[in-house]
Amino acid sequence: GAGVSQSPSNKVTEKGKDVELRCDPISGHTALYWYRQSLGQGLEFLIYFQGNSAPDKSGLPSDRFSAERTGGSVSTLTIQRTQQEDSAVYLCASSRDGNYEQYFGPGTRLTVT
Amino acid sequence: QKEVEQNSGPLSVPEGAIASLNCTYSDRGSQSFFWYRQYSGKSPELIMFIYSNGDKEDGRFTAQLNKASQYVSLLIRDSQPSDSATYLCAVRTSSGSARQLTFGSGTQLTVLP
Repeated sequence: GAGVSQSPSNKVTEKGKDVELRCDPISGHTALYWYRQSLGQGLEFLIYFQGNSAPDKSGLPSDRFSAERTGGSVSTLTIQRTQQEDSAVYLCASSRDGNYEQYFGPGTRLTVT
Repeated sequence: QKEVEQNSGPLSVPEGAIASLNCTYSDRGSQSFFWYRQYSGKSPELIMFIYSNGDKEDGRFTAQLNKASQYVSLLIRDSQPSDSATYLCAVRTSSGSARQLTFGSGTQLTVLP
């Protein structure tokens, strides 16, 4: 079946601009996660959704980062006033629910110039 | 102290040999353990998960878990050049609303033809 999809695959933006990253989870998966991976920090957790609710937002690095999920499916991660340190690969994962294995999408490579 | 530790490698093994990858974790409340394979420029791919002490085999892969020693390993039998990748150990501690994975920094494996 179809895996997790993310768009865009690459995004180049200027410092100070806002960006939106999209994730479409595996059909039927109620849990959705955002992570980011950068050379210096490895793979870091950002936020977890169960359905449309976000019980764990503990990984969001600042109030410039926000995420929402609608219809228990697609999620959008928004970064406002982007900074160069936001440059990373943003990965979305989904699982049947919060207690099962997580499957990753292909990621969005964000470059802030 | 890092929560999930892996030898960064690089680890080189000849084709056909057994590759042994190790991971230790600090949180005794950790309940679920995962191995992901990541090729350069690609997203992590789930290859094994283990929830109970002991061994779990899937094809050429065996995951081993020892909760008393806080140790999890991955054995790759009959290693192939296509196994050359970075292997990420991930641990989930289901505490309260947290369902995130905590990742090690990865072990780079090279299988020499």
